[in-house]
Amino acid sequence: GENVEQHPSTLSVQEGDSAVIKCTYSDSASNYFPWYKQELGKRPQLIIDIRSNVGEKKDQRIAVTLNKTAKHFSLHITETQPEDSAVYFCAANQAGTALIFGKGTTLSVSS
Amino acid sequence: GAVVSQHPSRVICKSGTSVKIECRSLDFQATTMFWYRQFPKQSLMLMATSNEGSKATYEQGVEKDKFLINHASLTLSTLTVTSAHPEDSSFYICSAAGAGTMEQYFGPGTRLTVT
Repeated sequence: GENVEQHPSTLSVQEGDSAVIKCTYSDSASNYFPWYKQELGKRPQLIIDIRSNVGEKKDQRIAVTLNKTAKHFSLHITETQPEDSAVYFCAANQAGTALIFGKGTTLSVSS
Repeated sequence: GAVVSQHPSRVICKSGTSVKIECRSLDFQATTMFWYRQFPKQSLMLMATSNEGSKATYEQGVEKDKFLINHASLTLSTLTVTSAHPEDSSFYICSAAGAGTMEQYFGPGTRLTVT
């Protein structure tokens, strides 16, 4: 089955800096790669996703890149703000199957 | 986006009792629902996948006789934790997906505390 590795586990940046979180996956059949932000005690919130027929996707300060050959995908947050502080999870699956999550990255943005 | 509700949001029960958690898709038909468990400071771990009208498929290490899952309709799945013990205390989250869609929609989660 699918296995998703995520790094780093913690990331501290200064406000305005960029943050990058990287994930690798094992199942070449996976074709959907979402990123979630989770605040304490709440449900994961989808912030961006990418499908395997696309190499890069951007939404304002957030971007995701996908390298299918290397089986890795990354989340890029630019101009970080204190409210970006949260736990971020990457995930992977094939349509209709369960999402398999990475272990999470705790992002801290200090002002 | 689509809306998924979960009930209750928080429950405290005594060791040895059973607890039922409901997951509902409010504005779409969920052909597949997934149940996850999340311990403090850990990731979401898949417990089981349930398709409407079929028996759930459990992940390795998840006891099917302890965690009873029913997906009797396209809008409702239930998870019953039987004979709960303190180690079952966790955050239980469901997600739902419609037919042929990639995105899954998460419920708000249920915080279970077993005393």
